Amino acid sequence: GQSLEQPSEVTAVEGAIVQINCTYQTSGFYGLSWYQQHDGGAPTFLSYNGLDGLEETGRFSSFLSRSDSYGYLLLQELQMKDSASYFCALSGSARQLTFGSGTQLTVLP
Amino acid sequence: DGGITQSPKYLFRKEGQNVTLSCEQNLNHDAMYWYRQDPGQGLRLIYYSQIVNDFQKGDIAEGYSVSREKKESFPLTVTSAQKNPTAFYLCASSIDRTGQETQYFGPGTRLLVL
Repeated sequence: GQSLEQPSEVTAVEGAIVQINCTYQTSGFYGLSWYQQHDGGAPTFLSYNGLDGLEETGRFSSFLSRSDSYGYLLLQELQMKDSASYFCALSGSARQLTFGSGTQLTVLP
Repeated sequence: DGGITQSPKYLFRKEGQNVTLSCEQNLNHDAMYWYRQDPGQGLRLIYYSQIVNDFQKGDIAEGYSVSREKKESFPLTVTSAQKNPTAFYLCASSIDRTGQETQYFGPGTRLLVL
């Protein structure tokens, strides 16, 4: 099977940079995705790494190292609205996702 | 506007009752998915379908059933065999094409047992 581990909580101040790590165990996967979910809402797609390296999308960047079974999401210039849960997820052959348990990010003023 | 709709927003189930959650998309996506989310947890895959009239079990399919008679629709039935159905149920869809890795989620249905 597959499993992913993320920190349960991270706290940072507005304007800062925060990194959310994700380590995983799997026998095979297509890529690592990141999703954001606000309380009571639906997850929304943030970023995807199909290959090793860094992907940048505005204030968000994501990194994957297959050799280290490790990835991270980097959020820059934090805003209050970034307070949410962040999930890493492995993609299977049918693009079905296996999610980590999520990291609750709290942004303080 | 294109998107995914789920209904109802809240659903109450009595003991021994089957209930069906609706999921409709007008994005012309090939693949559709059902996930379950328990409080403070990640999403777990129940069933998925890559094409009409075909679907596959996910990690926690026991006590659930699905159908995919139309490309736009992927209803989920929570049967009486599912002993702990209280959860947040999320439907998603995606284009089944290499390089298109985004899944789009509906607003979800909260199922509660009376």
